Amino acid sequence: AQSVTQLGSHVSVSEGALVLLRCNYSSSVPPYLFWYVQYPNQGLQLLLKYTSAATLVKGINGFEAEFKKSETSFHLTKPSAHMSDAAEYFCAVRGRSGGSNYKLTFGKGTLLTVNP
Amino acid sequence: KAGVTQTPRYLIKTRGQQVTLSCSPISGHRSVSWYQQTPGQGLQFLFEYFSETQRNKGNFPGRFSGRQFSNSRSEMNVSTLELGDSALYLCASSLGAAGGSYEQYFGPGTRLTVT
Repeated sequence: AQSVTQLGSHVSVSEGALVLLRCNYSSSVPPYLFWYVQYPNQGLQLLLKYTSAATLVKGINGFEAEFKKSETSFHLTKPSAHMSDAAEYFCAVRGRSGGSNYKLTFGKGTLLTVNP
Repeated sequence: KAGVTQTPRYLIKTRGQQVTLSCSPISGHRSVSWYQQTPGQGLQFLFEYFSETQRNKGNFPGRFSGRQFSNSRSEMNVSTLELGDSALYLCASSLGAAGGSYEQYFGPGTRLTVT
């Protein structure tokens, strides 16, 4: 069964600093991987996705993530944090085969706080 | 294109009642998935429908059910509500072919409070 672990339920950075949100997955074959962002009282918005075309994936709002098979990781980064980046971020995995693996499995989420 | 819409946005029910939530996917999307989000359990998958058929189901009791109509709109029903059913219920739509990388697009959710 696939699973996702997000290290750090809360990350705090200063405005302008590097943002690094960690995600490790467990899957028998390289899965599809996604990062979503959720602002208060809203649904989830897709930031980026990995489908195996390229290991470095660029998303919206200046975010990017690198797929590392050897480390089973898909960490999310942004070079310079902005106040508007404050939100909760979710990493998700979706399998490539097997009926029950087609569903999205989410990590517990990481709340990002950006300090002025 | 209009996004995923969910109605109602907020709902207050009492224990023992039942509730029906509605989701309209993005035009052209045939798959609709439902998730329950709570502070303690996070985002948990309820079920997925594709072309009016349930394709996947999560580990929820039979009180949680759903269906999908021919226009891809979906409803989920929770019977005999319990306090623990209080949550944000999120609907997501995608193009839906099994095994594809199709990303899911989420609606704003329905906030259900059970008293």
